[in-house]
Amino acid sequence: EMVMTQSPATLSVSPGERATLSCRASQSVTRFLAWYHQKPGQAPRLLIHDVSNRATGIPVRISGSGSGTEFTLTISSLQPEDSGVYYCQQYNNWPLTFGGGTKVEIK
Amino acid sequence: EIQLVESGGGLVKPGGSLRLSCVASGLNFKYAWVNWVRQVPGKGLEWVGRIKSQVDDETTEYNSPVRGRFTISRDDSKNTAFLQMDSLQSDDTAMYYCSTPSFFSDASGSYFRNDFYIWGQGTLVTVSS
Repeated sequence: EMVMTQSPATLSVSPGERATLSCRASQSVTRFLAWYHQKPGQAPRLLIHDVSNRATGIPVRISGSGSGTEFTLTISSLQPEDSGVYYCQQYNNWPLTFGGGTKVEIK
Repeated sequence: EIQLVESGGGLVKPGGSLRLSCVASGLNFKYAWVNWVRQVPGKGLEWVGRIKSQVDDETTEYNSPVRGRFTISRDDSKNTAFLQMDSLQSDDTAMYYCSTPSFFSDASGSYFRNDFYIWGQGTLVTVSS
């Protein structure tokens, strides 16, 4: 099973600042990497698929990059509504697996 | 607008069974693939399994913790997918979400990704004596 490791576990960022979240895969996932955002009491929301393609309605301040085993989600100017937990997910291998999440807090 | 609504969760004793439903609207359900994902309260996400469309032979895949105990099926006439859960254990306690993947088109056709695009609101399953 492919293990996805996210860091940091918690990130505290001031509004308007940049947030950088990391995701590492135990083996290459080529380009099959997605990111999700989950707020308390809600289902996750797809942000990014195929490493860097924003899903419908996702603002341009949210971007994804990386390749192979190292990936990054960047929020260029953090807004209050960006707080919550972010998960990466690989879909290159079975079973589909998620990272453990990064909690983003607004300072 | 595409919507998924889960139901059927509740309290069940260890060894018991439960059947969850996922009703879809706003999409051509007979072509949709449906995943089930679960989340222990306060913890991360775990993929449970998936069923493809009838066009794709309704092929199912399962994650190892549930393989042989859980069964995913669908009734396209009711726009509904099901998760039959048998031999439930305490570590099956979780919020259960159904989800459909995103898809893309190119010159050779349309394809589903193995991501999770549309999600339901979830239904809580508690396994406890």
